[in-house]
Amino acid sequence: TQLLEQSPQFLSIQEGENLTVYCNSSSVFSSLQWYRQEPGEGPVLLVTVVTGGEVKKLKRLTFQFGDARKDSSLHITAAQPGDTGLYLCAGGNTGKLIFGQGTTLQVKP
Amino acid sequence: DAGVIQSPRHEVTEMGQEVTLRCKPISGHDYLFWYRQTMMRGLELLIYFNNNVPIDDSGMPEDRFSAKMPNASFSTLKIQPSEPRDSAVYFCASSLAPAKNIQYFGAGTRLSVL
Repeated sequence: TQLLEQSPQFLSIQEGENLTVYCNSSSVFSSLQWYRQEPGEGPVLLVTVVTGGEVKKLKRLTFQFGDARKDSSLHITAAQPGDTGLYLCAGGNTGKLIFGQGTTLQVKP
Repeated sequence: DAGVIQSPRHEVTEMGQEVTLRCKPISGHDYLFWYRQTMMRGLELLIYFNNNVPIDDSGMPEDRFSAKMPNASFSTLKIQPSEPRDSAVYFCASSLAPAKNIQYFGAGTRLSVL
């Protein structure tokens, strides 16, 4: 059974701080996605990484795919209250996505 | 495009009643997914379709759950009879091959079974 473990589960920080969220698995994935979900809405795709070692940047967000394609990280620089939400990683292989449990981020002004 | 559309947004029902959740995928998308999200179990895949054909229903919890996709623009998830443990948010998502791992989610249906 493929599993994705995210850490930490909860994170509460002050505006302006940096943070990193981790997504780990013992399985290899052909691609890995990061989604953000706000209350009352569905997850929204932030990024897809497909190559081992790949790094993608989206404004203040930096995503990295591990060399062995088993893990990923999301780093947010100078967090803003608008970054508050549930961050989900999801690994894909055969058309199915396996989701991590999510990291709930709260950024206080 | 309007995105993935789900209805109703909220459903409150009593134990034993039949519940039908509806989904309209993004036009042209050929994959459709049904998920369930709870605090305890997170986001779980229930079933997915490719070109209206069910491909993998291994996530469907039990025979009380059934899903259909009669055409490319409509799918239903039915629970009969419903139980309190079915209370959750149910999401529908669609994607376009070959980027089938890039899924677009609807806003979800929050189901409460009393």
